[in-house]
Amino acid sequence: GAVVSQHPSWVICKSGTSVKIECRSLDFQATTMFWYRQFPKQSLMLMATSNEGSKATYEQGVEKDKFLINHASLTLSTLTVTSAHPEDSSFYICSAAGQTYEQYFGPGTRLTVT
Amino acid sequence: AQSVAQPEDQVNVAEGNPLTVKCTYSVSGNPYLFWYVQYPNRGLQFLLKYITGDNLVKGSYGFEAEFNKSQTSFHLKKPSALVSDSALYFCAVRDEITGGGNKLTFGTGTQLKVEL
Repeated sequence: GAVVSQHPSWVICKSGTSVKIECRSLDFQATTMFWYRQFPKQSLMLMATSNEGSKATYEQGVEKDKFLINHASLTLSTLTVTSAHPEDSSFYICSAAGQTYEQYFGPGTRLTVT
Repeated sequence: AQSVAQPEDQVNVAEGNPLTVKCTYSVSGNPYLFWYVQYPNRGLQFLLKYITGDNLVKGSYGFEAEFNKSQTSFHLKKPSALVSDSALYFCAVRDEITGGGNKLTFGTGTQLKVEL
């Protein structure tokens, strides 16, 4: 089946620094990638949808200048959390979709901002 | 707008007993329905989906779900629960006619606990 990887799996950074998370589709071309955020014991909150070669579409309430998304190729999307603060600490999950309706999820990245 | 409801935060069941995790949905057009399972600190694993066809859908690890259009439900079931089934389960829906590509809406999740 389709495999999606995320890197890093966990990261600890200091407040004010930026962190980049990579999402890769390993065995298929992802025309669309999604970025989610999940708080403990809560559901996934969609942050943004990105299509290869175009600007990401952000959900209401998500700061696009803070959460920079780049989808430069059909197999790679990146999420950069800029000027991170402790409240940005969360579990970030990406998913990728090809030509069908199915999303394939990455294993997630645990971000802790100290 | 599309939405999903999982009315139970937690479901407890004894190993060997049947389990049901409830899900209801609301969409404008025809629904595409999904169940995912999440283990601690892991991403989501796909269990099964309903797009069209038979209302009873069989998926991974012995799970199945029944699509009921009149009740707008898609409950997840398993005839005999295992302790290893203990995890967080998410129902998700995509509206056939929605814009925004393959955007899914997730329920709030149901924690399944299977005890010996």
